[in-house]
Amino acid sequence: DAGITQSPRHKVTETGTPVTLRCHQTENHRYMYWYRQDPGHGLRLIHYSYGVKDTDKGEVSDGYSVSRSKTEDFLLTLESATSSQTSVYFCAISDGQGALSEKLFFGSGTQLSVL
Amino acid sequence: EDQVTQSPEALRLQEGESSSLNCSYTVSGLRGLFWYRQDPGKGPEFLFTLYSAGEEKEKERLKATLTKKESFLHITAPKPEDSATYLCAVQVSSGGSYIPTFGRGTSLIVHP
Repeated sequence: DAGITQSPRHKVTETGTPVTLRCHQTENHRYMYWYRQDPGHGLRLIHYSYGVKDTDKGEVSDGYSVSRSKTEDFLLTLESATSSQTSVYFCAISDGQGALSEKLFFGSGTQLSVL
Repeated sequence: EDQVTQSPEALRLQEGESSSLNCSYTVSGLRGLFWYRQDPGKGPEFLFTLYSAGEEKEKERLKATLTKKESFLHITAPKPEDSATYLCAVQVSSGGSYIPTFGRGTSLIVHP
C-alpha cells in the first residue's frame, strides 16, 4: 500500500472555527490532491499541488486553503468551517510525469462534521 | 455539465449474474480513463488505466474496455466480495496540468 496518512481520521467541530487536515506521504510523489466526497456528488477536487509551494484550485475551492511547504505534507485548512463543509475528505497522491498525472493513491479519509 | 457520467447509479446482482457498468465522457483529447474500486469507509483503490479506443484490461472477474465515448467495466460471474462502489475518472486539462475528474460512481451489491 502507498504510504499516505491522513489525520485526524474523525473530527467534530463547530461552525465558524478553523480546521486543518493533514496529509502525509512517504512515496516522494510530486502531485498531491484534496478531494471531498458527498452523497450524490461523488469525489470533487478542492485543491491540488504539483510541487512544494505550487498549488492550484480545483472545482470546489471556495472556503478552503492549502499549503505545501515540504514534499511529504499537504495541509487543507477550512478558514471558518460551515455546515456545508461536513463531508469525507480524501487526500491522494500521484507521481505525475511532467504535466501528466497518472493513477492516484488515496488515503483512508477524514470524516469531518461541522455542527 | 458533467464530463464523466456513470450508469447505473446502483446495481444489484445475484452471485454469478454477469453485468456491465458504464462510464461515458465528454472530454476531448483523452489522456487516460481510470477505474477505481471503493469499499465502505475506505479510500478508492486503483483498478485499471485505459488510454486508447479498443484497449482492454482484465483483472480476475473484471474487464475494462474503452471506446471513443465510453468505457465499460464488465463483471463476469460476480461474487459477494465484488460488492463495492466503482468509480470512473478521466484527466481534464487545467492550466498546465491534467486533473483527475471523477464520475459519481456505481454502487454494486452482489447477493449470495
